[in-house]
Amino acid sequence: EAGVAQSPRYKIIEKRQSVAFWCNPISGHATLYWYQQILGQGPKLLIQFQNNGVVDDSQLPKDRFSAERLKGVDSTLKIQPAKLEDSAVYLCASSRNSGRINTEAFFGQGTRLTVV
Amino acid sequence: QQQVKQSPQSLIVQKGGISIINCAYENTAFDYFPWYQQFPGKGPALLIAIRPDVSEKKEGRFTISFNKSAKQFSLHIMDSQPGDSATYFCAASPGGGNKLVFGAGTILRVKS
Repeated sequence: EAGVAQSPRYKIIEKRQSVAFWCNPISGHATLYWYQQILGQGPKLLIQFQNNGVVDDSQLPKDRFSAERLKGVDSTLKIQPAKLEDSAVYLCASSRNSGRINTEAFFGQGTRLTVV
Repeated sequence: QQQVKQSPQSLIVQKGGISIINCAYENTAFDYFPWYQQFPGKGPALLIAIRPDVSEKKEGRFTISFNKSAKQFSLHIMDSQPGDSATYFCAASPGGGNKLVFGAGTILRVKS
């Protein structure tokens, strides 16, 4: 079974520029998550999709971050404009779960963003 | 409060020893408690998970102990090996989804 695919692996941009990350979840996984992992910290959930609908985006800085999952499969996360504090690893994860049953979330390798 | 507090920040254990990492939570709505292992340059990978209806779960050398009344849970790695050297995250999730709240992580180094 192929894992969660993310690209690019690394990205360096200047502050105030824009950047986009792409994620392809495991086939058949209805739920997709974007997490932000700042160096030395645990991942923090930014947004959760169930198919192509947003379940939770309460921690997404909506003034600069946006995400979409138009066809209920792959997803993009965009930052515009980027700030220095956005430097982090952006992790995508997916799970089968439906309803109230917790199922394992599988993580991709992440995209390491450096804002200079 | 959604926090999960994890300790210690780092841990050095001799090969063959026992590694113990502790976590505490406040939100009584949490009902799923996984531990993730992360190697440098990789995403977190599920190691073992427990639900609050049991006090202990063992898988190979890895054991979760869960104390519902104290709102604490811990990971025990028996016979620690150099290959176990990684960052370990505890996490918790409330019912109705997989919205994981992670601890800050513990960097484990197993000395050979």
